[in-house]
Amino acid sequence: QSVLTQAPSASGTPGQRVTISCSGGSSNIERNPVNWYQQLPGTAPKLIIYDNDQRPSGVPARFSGSKSGTSASLAISGLQSEDEADYYCAAWDDSQICVLFGGGTKLTVL
Amino acid sequence: QVQLQESGPRLAKPSETLSLTCTVSGGSVSAYHWSWIRQPPGKGPEWIGYIHYGGNTYYNPSLKSRVTISVDTSKNHLSLKLNSVIAADTAVYFCVRMTPQTSFDHWGQGTLVTVSS
Repeated sequence: QSVLTQAPSASGTPGQRVTISCSGGSSNIERNPVNWYQQLPGTAPKLIIYDNDQRPSGVPARFSGSKSGTSASLAISGLQSEDEADYYCAAWDDSQICVLFGGGTKLTVL
Repeated sequence: QVQLQESGPRLAKPSETLSLTCTVSGGSVSAYHWSWIRQPPGKGPEWIGYIHYGGNTYYNPSLKSRVTISVDTSKNHLSLKLNSVIAADTAVYFCVRMTPQTSFDHWGQGTLVTVSS
């Protein structure tokens, strides 16, 4: 069902900047806010970016979000070992009238 | 601080109804929107549906014919019922607070429900 596309994996070394992309369409990303979630093993997902580029209280400034047209991106600068997790994008879809999640990107810190 | 706790049977038989409850503390169920999200083992999250604080419900089209989400304001909890379950419904089920911008800002710890005979 998901029409939000993410690369299955990404990697970086400590201190690096990595970017995770999320590709959608005119009925979801282009029209609606994109939100990003971090999921550590065995835990519930955690909201890290909302409304395209806003950080909830307590989320480090190393995490940033952006959106352009039908795509969105999550950037993590100053990569740390504790950033190793699965990352999911999500957005409301006006055509399917539901929230869509991307397939997720597994981030490995080398 | 809002806290959410799912509860209910961990095992359901095929064709039966899966029923879960989410107890909300630190906030009123009548003041926010609430969602259920599930995550099959090893897979990504799937949105099941949400209930607006005004009472309207919205469901994932793929589950719409089998799912009901409701709130009980007297007990400050929300409920999920999924009918005619099959093995593919095996997942961790999360109750979640949903903002008007459709972000999910508070999550329960989740409960694994296995569908098996």
